[in-house]
Amino acid sequence: DIQMTQSPSSLSTSVGDRVTITCRASQSITSYLNWYQQKPGKAPKLLIYAASSLQSGVPSRFSGSGSGTDFTLTISSLQPEDFATYYCQQSYSTPRTFGQGTKVEIK
Amino acid sequence: QVQLVESGGGVVQPGRSLRLSCAASGFIFNNYGMHWVRQAPGKGLEWVAVIWYDGGNKYYADSVKGRFTISRDNSKNTLYLQMNSLRAEDTAVYFCARELSGYYDLWGQGTLVTVSS
Repeated sequence: DIQMTQSPSSLSTSVGDRVTITCRASQSITSYLNWYQQKPGKAPKLLIYAASSLQSGVPSRFSGSGSGTDFTLTISSLQPEDFATYYCQQSYSTPRTFGQGTKVEIK
Repeated sequence: QVQLVESGGGVVQPGRSLRLSCAASGFIFNNYGMHWVRQAPGKGLEWVAVIWYDGGNKYYADSVKGRFTISRDNSKNTLYLQMNSLRAEDTAVYFCARELSGYYDLWGQGTLVTVSS
């Protein structure tokens, strides 16, 4: 199985800050990497697919990059509604593994 | 509108069975592979199972293999998860999700399964 490791596990930050979350795969997954946002009590929401493609309706302050084993989700200027937990997920092979999540909290 | 609605969750004793349903509407259900993903209380997301658009292939996480069965009825636009021999560690919110080219673009709201005596 492909292991997905996110860092950091949590971070405290402020509105307007630039936020970067890293996801590393245990083997190459080319660009089969997706990012989801989840708020408490809600279903996850797709932000980025295929490593760098922005899902329709998602604000342009979200961006993704990377290929192979190392990937990054960037929020260019954090907004109040962005405080949530973020997950990466590989779709290169089954089982479709997720990272452990990164909780973005208010400083 | 386009949506997925799960049902069937509840409290069940260890060793017993439960069947979850996921009703799809607003899109052509039999065009999509469908997944179940779960989330234990306070924990991260765990992929559970997938079924191809035509039901021809199914795959499971090792943690549920041999106990859970994913199925679908395309005439009823419904996805199922039959869960047998339930354990305390199966306690979670179960989400169904639609796959589009490798990513989940549509999720249900989730249904809570609690395994407890």
